Amino acid sequence: SQQGEEDPQALSIQEGENATMNCSYKTSINNLQWYRQNSGRGLVHLILIRSNEREKHSGRLRVTLDTSKKSSSLLITASRAADTASYFCATDGDSNYQLIWGAGTKLIIKP
Amino acid sequence: EAGVAQSPRYKIIEKRQSVAFWCNPISGHATLYWYQQILGQGPKLLIQFQNNGVVDDSQLPKDRFSAERLKGVDSTLKIQPAKLEDSAVYLCASREAGTIQYFGAGTRLSVL
Repeated sequence: SQQGEEDPQALSIQEGENATMNCSYKTSINNLQWYRQNSGRGLVHLILIRSNEREKHSGRLRVTLDTSKKSSSLLITASRAADTASYFCATDGDSNYQLIWGAGTKLIIKP
Repeated sequence: EAGVAQSPRYKIIEKRQSVAFWCNPISGHATLYWYQQILGQGPKLLIQFQNNGVVDDSQLPKDRFSAERLKGVDSTLKIQPAKLEDSAVYLCASREAGTIQYFGAGTRLSVL
């Protein structure tokens, strides 16, 4: 079953602008992860934020987590054409290390 | 380090035919997952293996889908007989320790 919901479903911005995607989930979690999927490819892990963390950075990525609102956001700064992809949040709240996935945000970077 | 290998990359079959997908996880990864991803949706877990044992197959349509991981390394996922609604990308992922999963490129199945 899908727990996460990404917002927006699709986002189109100019190269160089910042892109923000949001994820909401329903149950308690151990951590939340963001993955990227290029067209026709598998998913690639980007960043993990634990339930006791509020913000995390990795290069041009910034993730925030608000467990009281059961939501997370992914910010990509200074976007590049290569950032064009679908972005998925996945939550891990299970002892079997299963991830529950959202439906994804499709990001298009226009040159 | 080699990534997760999947084959074939693409498969086109007619409904009621059978099809099999193969996955070779990253060496040493004990946990293996098969997902179904329908266009425009996130991955849906079909089955999770720990070594050669099944951890969770609650969402596997067992009347037509089967999966095995006989020696705790490679895995195959089979569909027999296929239906139109099985058209999707089938993703294999593996995990060593921790919670991050590593994905193969997937097999895109089209059922006509």
